[in-house]
Amino acid sequence: AQSVTQLGSHVSVSEGALVLLRCNYSSSVPPYLFWYVQYPNQGLQLLLKYTSAATLVKGINGFEAEFKKSETSFHLTKPSAHMSDAAEYFCAVSDPAGNQFYFGTGTSLTVIP
Amino acid sequence: ETGVTQTPRHLVMGMTNKKSLKCEQHLGHNAMYWYKQSAKKPLELMFVYSLEERVENNSVPSRFSPECPNSSHLFLHLHTLQPEDSALYLCASSRDYKDTQYFGPGTRLTVL
Repeated sequence: AQSVTQLGSHVSVSEGALVLLRCNYSSSVPPYLFWYVQYPNQGLQLLLKYTSAATLVKGINGFEAEFKKSETSFHLTKPSAHMSDAAEYFCAVSDPAGNQFYFGTGTSLTVIP
Repeated sequence: ETGVTQTPRHLVMGMTNKKSLKCEQHLGHNAMYWYKQSAKKPLELMFVYSLEERVENNSVPSRFSPECPNSSHLFLHLHTLQPEDSALYLCASSRDYKDTQYFGPGTRLTVL
């Protein structure tokens, strides 16, 4: 069975500060992991995904995430927050066999000027 | 532009109305999904179609009826809805079932 947990439903950072959004997963097999972003009144947009290649994955808009098997984590980071990063972020997990796909509950990011 | 379009973008309907939501994907994908996103709730998977066959139905009330006439189109037929059905309805598609999903912009539904 698989699941994904996003710690912190709301995160606030100052403009220019580090963004860190947490995601932990549980999986019986090495998973595929995803981060999606949702801007107000829009659908979800794929930011990046991990599919068992390099553990550090770079995505769009300067975001990256690192797969850490020992910590069962896939935290999303960005060195310097921009006002346009304010959005809802979703972590998701699936198993390579394609039997399950789960979204986390989401983290709302606020960027303070 | 994600290659997945949804119409209408906004819909207001009464509880006795019948309406349909449309989703179209231009990505050549084989699987399509309907999700419900309500305020302060997790994303809820409603229906999944793979190669035009329904493969998942997560205990959705019968007032929601999906239709997948071909791999590029997905409909959600609505009838006798309740106010609590007001939500953002998102369509997604993927190359294969449970592959990376690409989302449309959603339909904001309000039931009066």
